[in-house]
Amino acid sequence: SAVISQKPSRDICQRGTSLTIQCQVDSQVTMMFWYRQQPGQSLTLIATANQGSEATYESGFVIDKFPISRPNLTFSTLTVSNMSPEDSSIYLCSVFLGLAGPTDTQYFGPGTRLTVL
Amino acid sequence: EDQVTQSPEALRLQEGESSSLNCSYTVSGLRGLFWYRQDPGKGPEFLFTLYSAGEEKEKERLKATLTKKESFLHITAPKPEDSATYLCAVQGTYKYIFGTGTRLKVLA
Repeated sequence: SAVISQKPSRDICQRGTSLTIQCQVDSQVTMMFWYRQQPGQSLTLIATANQGSEATYESGFVIDKFPISRPNLTFSTLTVSNMSPEDSSIYLCSVFLGLAGPTDTQYFGPGTRLTVL
Repeated sequence: EDQVTQSPEALRLQEGESSSLNCSYTVSGLRGLFWYRQDPGKGPEFLFTLYSAGEEKEKERLKATLTKKESFLHITAPKPEDSATYLCAVQGTYKYIFGTGTRLKVLA
């Protein structure tokens, strides 16, 4: 398995501000994923972050709202911009181990619990 | 449309009372079915991967099985520390899809 850390673990923010969440993995991985989990709901994929290329966003998520960086094979950041209370969620990063084959298992970080007032 | 449905939404068991959680799926080109455990405020913890119908995996009090339409997570003689939300996910041709989970509470 992979050891994945996220910073911060939680934050309370004012509406209209931005928060950058960091994700660090203890091994090199091709793809990193960012998910959102709203209260009482399941995980929704925001985007896939590949090193050396632009992130790929899922339907309903845009780069202006959720800019992502992937400067190397072990690190990524997700920024939640111009926040509103509807952005209150747990944000999770995940990775596939190995070469990201089609049946690789995803491993998740501990999550960042964001509350927007 | 690819879809994952978990049932029940919530389950309360007495310690030692065995039961099963269900994950029904519709997906084009199933590449894998995954079970995760999630504790409150934490990220999902990987439990099992199943690839083909008839496959079974076991870990301590948990056993996962897979058919062409659904998967079961059997919990034998559960303990209070098994209380968590159990998530099922499937990987199809194009993406990973998560169910909404079963919240399990085991009472001492």
